[in-house]
Amino acid sequence: SQQGEEDPQALSIQEGENATMNCSYKTSINNLQWYRQNSGRGLVHLILIRSNEREKHSGRLRVTLDTSKKSSSLLITASRAADTASYFCATDAGSNYQLIWGAGTKLIIKP
Amino acid sequence: KAGVTQTPRYLIKTRGQQVTLSCSPISGHRSVSWYQQTPGQGLQFLFEYFSETQRNKGNFPGRFSGRQFSNSRSEMNVSTLELGDSALYLCASNIAGTGSSYEQYFGPGTRLTVT
Repeated sequence: SQQGEEDPQALSIQEGENATMNCSYKTSINNLQWYRQNSGRGLVHLILIRSNEREKHSGRLRVTLDTSKKSSSLLITASRAADTASYFCATDAGSNYQLIWGAGTKLIIKP
Repeated sequence: KAGVTQTPRYLIKTRGQQVTLSCSPISGHRSVSWYQQTPGQGLQFLFEYFSETQRNKGNFPGRFSGRQFSNSRSEMNVSTLELGDSALYLCASNIAGTGSSYEQYFGPGTRLTVT
């Protein structure tokens, strides 16, 4: 079963615009991670946010976590063609030894 | 450092056969996890190994098994292949002992097609 559900399933925006993706999960977590997957570079870790953190930044990425709503969002600012990929959230569901993944958001950046 | 490597990259097998996939983690990483990725089910956790011990297993039938060697390299085996086993199998390594508390470094995957 899937712990996380991303929303929207697909997103198409113009280059330069901001992209926001959301992830909801079901059970308590220790941390939540975001990954990107494209055909060229495979699955790559973007950012990890722990349950006691509310916001984290990395370059053009901003992740928020609301544990009361069991949700997280990933914001990509000033999008580029290279950001075209599928984005996944993954949680540990309280377990130290496995990640449970959402279905992903497919992001397309139009030139 | 070299990244996570997986062999083979592509594999075509027939129903009923068995297959072994290999994963070499990043040097110094002792935790190795395996995932199955399909269009319908997404990324599903198979199992995680640390210091040659399986610490957690996902909801897959016993046909799926794995092991880890003393050099942290890992193999997974699928016996009696079914059409539904066609998928991208991803291996990930992790620097720390707890597989989900740190970022996972993924290999390129092995694309298995069962005919």
